[in-house]
Amino acid sequence: DADVTQTPRNRITKTGKRIMLECSQTKGHDRMYWYRQDPGLGLRLIYYSFDVKDINKGEISDGYSVSRQAQAKFSLSLESAIPNQTALYFCATSDAFMARGGDEQFFGPGTRLTVL
Amino acid sequence: AQKVTQAQTEISVVEKEDVTLDCVYETRDTTYYLFWYKQPPSGELVFLIRRNSFDEQNEISGRYSWNFQKSTSSFNFTITASQVVDSAVYFCALSEADGGTSYGKLTFGQGTILTVHP
Repeated sequence: DADVTQTPRNRITKTGKRIMLECSQTKGHDRMYWYRQDPGLGLRLIYYSFDVKDINKGEISDGYSVSRQAQAKFSLSLESAIPNQTALYFCATSDAFMARGGDEQFFGPGTRLTVL
Repeated sequence: AQKVTQAQTEISVVEKEDVTLDCVYETRDTTYYLFWYKQPPSGELVFLIRRNSFDEQNEISGRYSWNFQKSTSSFNFTITASQVVDSAVYFCALSEADGGTSYGKLTFGQGTILTVHP
């Protein structure tokens, strides 16, 4: 089984709808991240959480919210989806075991979201 | 603020050619880490290498090699004798490590699409 899973894998929704993307991990890592990937822009950080009680905004948090329900679960919500949130969304985890900043991030398979 | 630039948007080569993917970064930190990730057509992100700012030794792993030069703020990736299976999007990324709550976050470059033709 995959260490980092994301559900759903694909989702089509309409403008104005609320949608939640879920991420679960079995790696036992404290740190979790949400990124979005757009063609020509690479991956950009939306939110990150270094433990269950710690949630921080990333580079592009407007229009998104997150919930860290447990060490293993980190959900991303779009309160009112808009077309320019159409993107590929990745969840990632890392372990603070490495020297600070040097942690390899392990990525989920991605969720392809289309907002019509 | 940190920044990563991959100026090559797309590269197309024929199998067995060598190809170099460029990565230039900006950071004010003295301690940082650089990464390369591969995204094959299937879409997942695969970790390739991590290098810290104090280790400028070049690294070779099979057909892959990396050249880290602090003087030019570059961390370039070379594939020798490319193969069709190397076709993917390659991302360079930077993580600062000088303390505070920002360490550990990755800043990605725009990615380079590599196509290797038979």
